[in-house]
Amino acid sequence: EAGVAQSPRYKIIEKRQSVAFWCNPISGHATLYWYQQILGQGPKLLIQFQNNGVVDDSQLPKDRFSAERLKGVDSTLKIQPAKLEDSAVYLCASSFQGGTEAFFGQGTRLTVV
Amino acid sequence: GNSVTQMEGPVTLSEEAFLTINCTYTATGYPSLFWYVQYPGEGLQLLLKATKADDKGSNKGFEATYRKETTSFHLEKGSVQVSDSAVYFCALVAGGTSYGKLTFGQGTILTVHP
Repeated sequence: EAGVAQSPRYKIIEKRQSVAFWCNPISGHATLYWYQQILGQGPKLLIQFQNNGVVDDSQLPKDRFSAERLKGVDSTLKIQPAKLEDSAVYLCASSFQGGTEAFFGQGTRLTVV
Repeated sequence: GNSVTQMEGPVTLSEEAFLTINCTYTATGYPSLFWYVQYPGEGLQLLLKATKADDKGSNKGFEATYRKETTSFHLEKGSVQVSDSAVYFCALVAGGTSYGKLTFGQGTILTVHP
């Protein structure tokens, strides 16, 4: 069974530029999450989708971050404009609705210079 | 709000040594507790979990017991191997919440030498 796919694996951009990350969850997983992991810290939830609807985006900095999950499958997380403090690994995870385990992708490492 | 605190790292051990990584939590209600592991170059993987007080989660020789009275979920392994070198994260999910909506600790880096 294929796991959660994320791309790109690495991205370096200058501050004030925009960037987008892509996630393809495990087939059949209705719930999708985006996490931000800053170096030396644990992952922090940014947004949770159930199918193509947002369940929780209370921790998403909405002035610069946006996310969508069209058709309830793939998802895109965008940052515009990026700041130095956005340097982090962005993790995508998915689970069955009501499932007891979330499965994580390998993440996208973003460096803002 | 919910929070998880892990012991300060990094932890360096010799092969076959005993491992303990401490984890305590603050949460309302009855959370579920997890240990995730991140091997070099790989994504987070669920190592073990416990969903109610006094439950013991176990996997690959690792164990952790859900202690409600001390709000703890310490990770233990009797004899570590070099292949156990990784970053370990303690995490919780608030009661009644989906299992992917995790609150993580800061992680503990474990290095095992031959």
